[in-house]
Amino acid sequence: SQQGEEDPQALSIQEGENATMNCSYKTSINNLQWYRQNSGRGLVHLILIRSNEREKHSGRLRVTLDTSKKSSSLLITASRAADTASYFCATDLGYGNKLVFGAGTILRVKS
Amino acid sequence: NAGVMQNPRHLVRRRGQEARLRCSPMKGHSHVYWYRQLPEEGLKFMVYLQKENIIDESGMPKERFSAEFPKEGPSILRIQQVVRGDSAAYFCASSDRGNTEAFFGQGTRLTVV
Repeated sequence: SQQGEEDPQALSIQEGENATMNCSYKTSINNLQWYRQNSGRGLVHLILIRSNEREKHSGRLRVTLDTSKKSSSLLITASRAADTASYFCATDLGYGNKLVFGAGTILRVKS
Repeated sequence: NAGVMQNPRHLVRRRGQEARLRCSPMKGHSHVYWYRQLPEEGLKFMVYLQKENIIDESGMPKERFSAEFPKEGPSILRIQQVVRGDSAAYFCASSDRGNTEAFFGQGTRLTVV
């Protein structure tokens, strides 16, 4: 099964609300990365968090990592309609950048 | 600084033809990765290359698929004798070294008819 698994599979919220997406994985990792993909487009790198880090911020994004639970969360605060996209977590097992992706969370922000 | 450039963006091939997908990494990046994404799914790793070397091809199908990253020029993912099941989006990513951020191209959407 997938190394990275996101939940929920789909999330629909109103503009201005916060969105939280979770990612669980199975084996030890070197780092974990979050990406955004707009429909039919390429992936945009959001945040990389290393295995020795617990939290990272970038603008309206906050990522946490709990290696004891093998889980990560991505929080988007004050969401906007433009945040509508699929969000993927990807784990780097420590060998180059051979990333293992989950199936993604589809976020829809309604205006 | 241009990002990762992939071409073509869309490619249509008949069954049995060959498909060639190109990827130019970001300037200064010598690590290239190819991923495949089937509809409604996440990306699956195919192959990891550095200049003139295949580092890890554990995700490549055993037959019909090959990849190269020559000393000069883009990385090429080649699919021979395409079948309908090869229809997917193929993404290339690059990084300046292992375990740093990987930056993705816009992808090539292959349709086999």
